[in-house]
Amino acid sequence: ETGVTQSPTHLIKTRGQQVTLRCSSQSGHNTVSWYQQALGQGPQFIFQYYREEENGRGNFPPRFSGLQFPNYSSELNVNALELDDSALYLCASSFSEGPYEQYFGPGTRLTVT
Amino acid sequence: GESVGLHLPTLSVQEGDNSIINCAYSNSASDYFIWYKQESGKGPQFIIDIRSNMDKRQGQRVTVLLNKTVKHLSLQIAATQPGDSAVYFCAENKDNQGGKLIFGQGTELSVKP
Repeated sequence: ETGVTQSPTHLIKTRGQQVTLRCSSQSGHNTVSWYQQALGQGPQFIFQYYREEENGRGNFPPRFSGLQFPNYSSELNVNALELDDSALYLCASSFSEGPYEQYFGPGTRLTVT
Repeated sequence: GESVGLHLPTLSVQEGDNSIINCAYSNSASDYFIWYKQESGKGPQFIIDIRSNMDKRQGQRVTVLLNKTVKHLSLQIAATQPGDSAVYFCAENKDNQGGKLIFGQGTELSVKP
């Protein structure tokens, strides 16, 4: 078990709604990355936060946004939910000064109906 | 485009046998690779990593081999156990700073008792 926690565990939303997912990083880690994992696929990088700023972004539209707080925890916000947003959302924490391996939380299962 | 892929989607082995899971990558500029294990309903679990200046790295019952000439990565699991049953992903880290990870599709390992 890593020290990365995520909430909620499961969530059901309706198309067009907005959702906020939360992540607490492992102790000593200052960087948080978010990934989307569709069923049967590998995780896809959404973005990373370091020093409370976005530090790299994958191929996701602007309705995916995030925040990082002074305690290094993070939020992922998704606006105008679409059916294809249904997925497991994973956050991973790491330490910017190395070692660089990312440790994942258990994920939040989002279902959009 | 850039991608990290796996040769086989499923692998079935007998308990006690050795397992080999393969991965191909296309970006020769990648300098850091990680293997993750993902059990059903859980987030990816870090297994072992290797940097591009190495050919081989060993952990507890696991060995990762990197062949930069043919852009190939493999994970060897010795004396495979039922608890090793999971989906295994290789991931590529492009900037060696704990940034964006590019994941492959995954190989499902099934261990028969």
